[in-house]
Amino acid sequence: QLQLQESGPRLVKPLETLSLTCTVSGGSISSGRYYWGWIRQPPGKGLEWIGVISYRGTTYYNPSLKSRVTISADSSKNQFSLKLSSVTAADTAVYYCARDVELWGQGTMVTVSP
Amino acid sequence: EVVLTQSPDFQSVTPKEKVTITCRASQSIGNSLHWYQQKPDESPKLLIKYASQSISGVPSRFSGSGSGTDFTLTINSLEAEDAAAYYCHQSNGSPWTFGQGTKVEIK
Repeated sequence: QLQLQESGPRLVKPLETLSLTCTVSGGSISSGRYYWGWIRQPPGKGLEWIGVISYRGTTYYNPSLKSRVTISADSSKNQFSLKLSSVTAADTAVYYCARDVELWGQGTMVTVSP
Repeated sequence: EVVLTQSPDFQSVTPKEKVTITCRASQSIGNSLHWYQQKPDESPKLLIKYASQSISGVPSRFSGSGSGTDFTLTINSLEAEDAAAYYCHQSNGSPWTFGQGTKVEIK
């Protein structure tokens, strides 16, 4: 059964780069025509779509974050990653990785604080 | 960007009652509309995909309908375990977007 697991630093300083990795187990990120993406949820708020990388390697980003976001994939490690630069307190959130709309990781809380 | 507007924002419901949540898109998205349930401290769980397709393991009291710009999630005979936030989500084109959420409380 396919599973996704987020990992990375839980605390990031303002203006630094937030880096998260999603490790996929039980299947290959290279198989099938899937989109692998990231969503976040600030404490007590709703869901915000960050972006995806397609099975062809094409990336699509939320315009509000586009200038700061990079999503990439490493098929040799069966992982895909999120980098968000120049973070502020507003980037504090639970970050989820997902395959298409169907399968999500459990999420990881990232706090931006000095 | 497609804006999704859910209504209501909050609903307090007695068990066995029928619940209807609507999601309106700012432009036509075909049937690329999905519904999630999120309980506190849990990741969202997919309930319905592509407007009306059921998901294995999801109770049959959850159903979806609609196309174009107007969509509905129906919970027939609400159970206590259905207390949660519900979100609609569209994947018709980039950027994908979410509705603001509807919180369902059990009276």
